[in-house]
Amino acid sequence: DAGITQSPRHKVTETGTPVTLRCHQTENHRYMYWYRQDPGHGLRLIHYSYGVKDTDKGEVSDGYSVSRSKTEDFLLTLESATSSQTSVYFCAINPGQGAQETQYFGPGTRLLVL
Amino acid sequence: SQKIEQNSEALNIQEGKTATLTCNYTNYSPAYLQWYRQDPGRGPVFLLLIRENEKEKRKERLKVTFDTTLKQSLFHITASQPADSATYLCALEKDSSYKLIFGSGTRLLVRP
Repeated sequence: DAGITQSPRHKVTETGTPVTLRCHQTENHRYMYWYRQDPGHGLRLIHYSYGVKDTDKGEVSDGYSVSRSKTEDFLLTLESATSSQTSVYFCAINPGQGAQETQYFGPGTRLLVL
Repeated sequence: SQKIEQNSEALNIQEGKTATLTCNYTNYSPAYLQWYRQDPGRGPVFLLLIRENEKEKRKERLKVTFDTTLKQSLFHITASQPADSATYLCALEKDSSYKLIFGSGTRLLVRP
């Protein structure tokens, strides 16, 4: 998985609780992304980062926040989890230089909000 | 609005045949298009990238075409094998920003 780990890999939580998912990379890539994947919707971009402390919203960012204080770590926080945020979350990285547009994905985190 | 469509129905073919998957898009003018493979319970894995000025790209048994007039990409797997069974996703570059928009994927089943 191209030097990307996600933690936790599985989580069950209750509605209204905060949840933080972690993405860690060892590739020193500039760009990092958080997606969610749901049946019938494919992968949808939540937030992405183009450098330390540089982040921007994706198409489904409501209810989510992110932080990147180090190149290797990108955190996704659900401020107050809702059942609609039950999903599989994928982190991806991209070197962001030259003609390397390929994204490399982590193994995913399966989140269930009860 | 921008939209990417892949056949949501699974493609079921016999081993040894050629599998052809389709990706159509609207309201885009992407500089490139990518195909990824995803196995159950795992993250997508990059397969091929084709640019707007390329008509065709090959890698081993894989071939991708990109028709910017039709706004369509075709993904072919020749001499298919049961190990090729997976979901295949197409993705388009968005806004020249290293962001991708993904289709919902097509599941391929290759029968022995």
